[in-house]
Amino acid sequence: DGGITQSPKYLFRKEGQNVTLSCEQNLNHDAMYWYRQDPGQGLRLIYYSQIVNDFQKGDIAEGYSVSREKKESFPLTVTSAQKNPTAFYLCASHFFGTDEAFFGQGTRLTVV
Amino acid sequence: QKEVEQNSGPLSVPEGAIASLNCTYSDRGSQSFFWYRQYSGKSPELIMSIYSNGDKEDGRFTAQLNKASQYVSLLIRDSQPSDSATYLCAVPWGAGSYQLTFGKGTKLSVIP
Repeated sequence: DGGITQSPKYLFRKEGQNVTLSCEQNLNHDAMYWYRQDPGQGLRLIYYSQIVNDFQKGDIAEGYSVSREKKESFPLTVTSAQKNPTAFYLCASHFFGTDEAFFGQGTRLTVV
Repeated sequence: QKEVEQNSGPLSVPEGAIASLNCTYSDRGSQSFFWYRQYSGKSPELIMSIYSNGDKEDGRFTAQLNKASQYVSLLIRDSQPSDSATYLCAVPWGAGSYQLTFGKGTKLSVIP
């Protein structure tokens, strides 16, 4: 089945640790995005990538890093510089010229 | 600064009634508008897109756009308990990309 897969579904991070969230898509979409959602809030854009080996900062990139070495993959690293990382993280992909962005099922990150 | 504003709700309507969800946006140059539905703990799914002034109907859903007033709305007719969710208004920006600015969402509860 075609789709976008995020893993893990739940992730716990200790203070000072870096953690990496996985996002893989087999839809042959060019563009991929990472959003963060806090309780009662809309989604805020962290990073996006339109082509392999290129990515751009979104509205809240501080404390995060990404890579796009393959078209199918767009992992997000939450670094220790992100002081308030507890949130629901959503990855999305989009095929240029179409309406719909497809979202993964999300990763819920909690700092312990 | 691109902003999308929604009433956070919650909005409660009885089963069978019409639910009306509203959204305003700041960028007068915006051309595309999207409504996403998000069930609790799940990822958003696209339910409506609208590009031209006026109404667009899809089943029980009607999107209404007024670019002069920078206002977009979503009407849900014959509301069902399964419509209970958070509805997110989203406006893309960025030439050739799909960077979405989301409102905070309106939580809808349909009471049986």
